[in-house]
Amino acid sequence: DTAVSQTPKYLVTQMGNDKSIKCEQNLGHDTMYWYKQDSKKFLKIMFSYNNKELIINETVPNRFSPKSPDKAHLNLHINSLELGDSAVYFCASSPGTPNSPLHFGNGTRLTVT
Amino acid sequence: AQSVTQPDIHITVSEGASLELRCNYSYGATPYLFWYVQSPGQGLQLLLKYFSGDTLVQGIKGFEAEFKRSQSSFNLRKPSVHWSDAAEYFCAVGAITSGTYKYIFGTGTRLKVLA
Repeated sequence: DTAVSQTPKYLVTQMGNDKSIKCEQNLGHDTMYWYKQDSKKFLKIMFSYNNKELIINETVPNRFSPKSPDKAHLNLHINSLELGDSAVYFCASSPGTPNSPLHFGNGTRLTVT
Repeated sequence: AQSVTQPDIHITVSEGASLELRCNYSYGATPYLFWYVQSPGQGLQLLLKYFSGDTLVQGIKGFEAEFKRSQSSFNLRKPSVHWSDAAEYFCAVGAITSGTYKYIFGTGTRLKVLA
């Protein structure tokens, strides 16, 4: 009964490959997010969807493409992976109201060699 | 621009000692404030939140935080630290920027607990 689950937990791949990370939430939340955490633990928002509609798109390379087939799922596809893409990617969800906290998945550690 | 500052990158305390982790924010309106904890290999877990009312809020695991508007601070405290509290702690503010609600995180404070 995991609230926010993302797969895979670890992803090791070579430069130039294309990979996807999947995220699902069973909390009934309207809003989902992708965050990137770098090696210094800094958390940076990448994307946010509300009811399948993109509402936040930070300055992320267009090699990153989120897709939300329904409000319980938000996947992240990355084309032509680069060394600098190595990081931990967190999916999160919230009801979308200002006083509501984020609920995080356990992260996907992406290593690009 | 909205921002969150956690001045201490690392803090080391002995088990049983008291703890205070600092957080300062920059936001023009009344902020929504959160503290999260991240254990190794895990996602972030909410410790507590503040959005109105009593400025001293209680959270899980014996943590509390005090909102001080005059100092733009939301410091996290615990009277007696346990070895299991060793983790990374993040302060965050919920703010409206460019018409969109966002969560802005500080850079984190890594807590080490000595036995």
